[in-house]
Amino acid sequence: EVQLLESGGGLVQPGGSLRLSCAASGFTFNTYAMSWVRQAPGKGLEWVSIISGTGHATEYADSVKGRFTISRDNSNNTVYLQMNSLRAEDTAVYFCVGGFYYMYYFDFWGQGTRLTVSS
Amino acid sequence: EFVLTQSPGTLSLSPGESATLSCRASQRINSDYLAWYQQKAGQAPRLLIYGTSRRATGIPDRFSGSGSRTDFTLTISRLEPEDFAVYYCQRYGDSLEFGQGTKVDI
Repeated sequence: EVQLLESGGGLVQPGGSLRLSCAASGFTFNTYAMSWVRQAPGKGLEWVSIISGTGHATEYADSVKGRFTISRDNSNNTVYLQMNSLRAEDTAVYFCVGGFYYMYYFDFWGQGTRLTVSS
Repeated sequence: EFVLTQSPGTLSLSPGESATLSCRASQRINSDYLAWYQQKAGQAPRLLIYGTSRRATGIPDRFSGSGSRTDFTLTISRLEPEDFAVYYCQRYGDSLEFGQGTKVDI
């Protein structure tokens, strides 16, 4: 059974930093591209970032480019999202998602971790 | 700028009826790289349809997708109580973009 378990969310002040983690199991992790997708309270879905199975390719939404960094550890089946210079508009539930192909649809989703950016 | 526009915003229907959800792209989508997701309240989204019309594993055949170029449709025939949810379309390939969602309400 595929499982994606996000952690690391919480309350952060504007300008602060936080790192999200996503522990994966139940599939061949290093063959899947992994993404983060977020959902602000009461809003729709917004793709944030993607990393290829090898970790050699990454992409970011314009809204987070230069502030967020995605990475992965294939030896521990974990993907990370380092978030710096956080803003109120980054407040959202962050979903870890997996897709077999890079820049394709998302086959499976974690349950999400909540980030609140507020003073 | 590429934009996906879903309509209507909310669709109020009864169990047993059919639902037709629209997703319109501001530019042509190549190779029919259009997916649909379902999100129930308090849950993560799940993949329903990819490649415009291909059902994901385990998705019942009352869900069907169609369309091409800039106009795409998700049809849910014979709505079941568990189908009342929010539905999102997504373009993939060139970039990853979501529509704003359509809520199917009782």
